Amino acid sequence: GQQVMQIPQYQHVQEGEDFTTYCNSSTTLSNIQWYKQRPGGHPVFLIQLVKSGEVKKQKRLTFQFGEAKKNSSLHITATQTTDVGTYFCAGKVVNNNDMRFGAGTRLTVKP
Amino acid sequence: EADIYQTPRYLVIGTGKKITLECSQTMGHDKMYWYQQDPGMELHLIHYSYGVNSTEKGDLSSESTVSRIRTEHFPLTLESARPSHTSQYLCASSDWGDYNEQFFGPGTRLTVL
Repeated sequence: GQQVMQIPQYQHVQEGEDFTTYCNSSTTLSNIQWYKQRPGGHPVFLIQLVKSGEVKKQKRLTFQFGEAKKNSSLHITATQTTDVGTYFCAGKVVNNNDMRFGAGTRLTVKP
Repeated sequence: EADIYQTPRYLVIGTGKKITLECSQTMGHDKMYWYQQDPGMELHLIHYSYGVNSTEKGDLSSESTVSRIRTEHFPLTLESARPSHTSQYLCASSDWGDYNEQFFGPGTRLTVL
């Protein structure tokens, strides 16, 4: 079964609004990765979080890893049309073999 | 330039045909993966390999098979294609270790008529 849950499945925003997607696991994750897939493209790695409570920023994107290392979030401030795409989290459960992807959040931005 | 390649990019084929989707990477990665994805939807892991002569089935049951005879090459084969196999197939690779990102190929869009 799916080890990494991601919500929401879809998000429609007006350009300039903020956007957040959440990733949750019932078990502790050793690390979490975030990927972006543009329409018609393939997933591209954005960032990795490893430490409990870690926060990283990339311009308008803020990534957080929960204190218990069971959840993560990606927040985009003031969305632009270039942010359109599907955002996937991928987490590795401690003592498990490999990364597992969440179902993704598809973001559409209305100009 | 180090990269990951998939061919063909698009394939339209009739029911019952045997097909092989090619995936090659020049990054020297030990780990390779095949995902099945309907447009804009969830990534379903169908096969993975941790090195030469290592292949494992993923979380989603698939009628396809894979082989890993060379480190850089991880082809996926469907012995008898069916319309239910219509999807996008993404190949990915990563270096050994727990904290390495996956690099994805451009994908093959398969349509079975």
